[in-house]
Amino acid sequence: EVQLVQSGAEVKKPGESLKISCKGSGYDFSNYWIAWVRQVPGKGLECLGLIFPGDSQRTYNPSFQGQVTMSVDKSLNTAYLQWNSLKASDTAIYYCAREEGGFDPWGQGTLVTVSS
Amino acid sequence: DIRLTQSPSSLSASEGDRVTLTCQASHEISNSVNWYQQKPGKAPKLLIYGASTLEAGVPSRFSGSGSGTDFTLTISSLQPEDVATYFCQQFDNVLPSFGPGTKVDLK
Repeated sequence: EVQLVQSGAEVKKPGESLKISCKGSGYDFSNYWIAWVRQVPGKGLECLGLIFPGDSQRTYNPSFQGQVTMSVDKSLNTAYLQWNSLKASDTAIYYCAREEGGFDPWGQGTLVTVSS
Repeated sequence: DIRLTQSPSSLSASEGDRVTLTCQASHEISNSVNWYQQKPGKAPKLLIYGASTLEAGVPSRFSGSGSGTDFTLTISSLQPEDVATYFCQQFDNVLPSFGPGTKVDLK
C-alpha cells in the first residue's frame, strides 16, 4: 500500500524553529515529487512547493519562498518541511502528498500551532 | 499566475439530487484539472484527474468534464457520505494551485 505518514502535532512559540516530517512507503520514494500543502483550519488549500527526492530539486511557491525550507533524506524515504523562525500566522495543518499528475496519496496532516 | 474560481461557494441539496460544481480558470489550461473531496478532519482525496478520469475506487456517480477554462464536477445522485468540501486544482504550470472550494451539505 502506498502511504505517507507525517509526524505529530506541534505547539511552538513565535521565533522558535521547527522541522516536520513525511515518510513514504510502498513505492519508489526517490522517483515521485512530494508536495507540501498548507491549510489554515476552515480555509482553503495552498501549495507551498514540491521537492523531487531523487535529486532534491525544489520548486517553491513565491509566496512562501524564504519562509520555509523543503528537504529530503532518501535513505530514510522521508521528506521534511522546516521553519527557522515561526510566526503566529504559520498556525495551520500541513499536508504532504505524492505528486503524479494529481496529489495522491496524502499524509494525515500535521497541525502546527504557534502561540505565545 | 493561473487563478481558479469555484461556484457556488456552498450548496445544500437533497439525497438523490444531481449536483453540479463549476471551476473556472483565468487562462486556458487544456484538461489540466483535478478534483478533490475533503471531509471534515480528513486529508483531501483525489476524485478525478485530467478533468474527466475517475480515480480508482471512486464511485461512478462522480464525473468530471470540461476543457480550456471551464470545468465541471457532477454528482449524479447525492448521497449522505458525499457531504464534504470539493476543491479543483490546476497543474498546467510548474506550481499546482487550488480553487477556494465548494462546500456541499444535505438539506
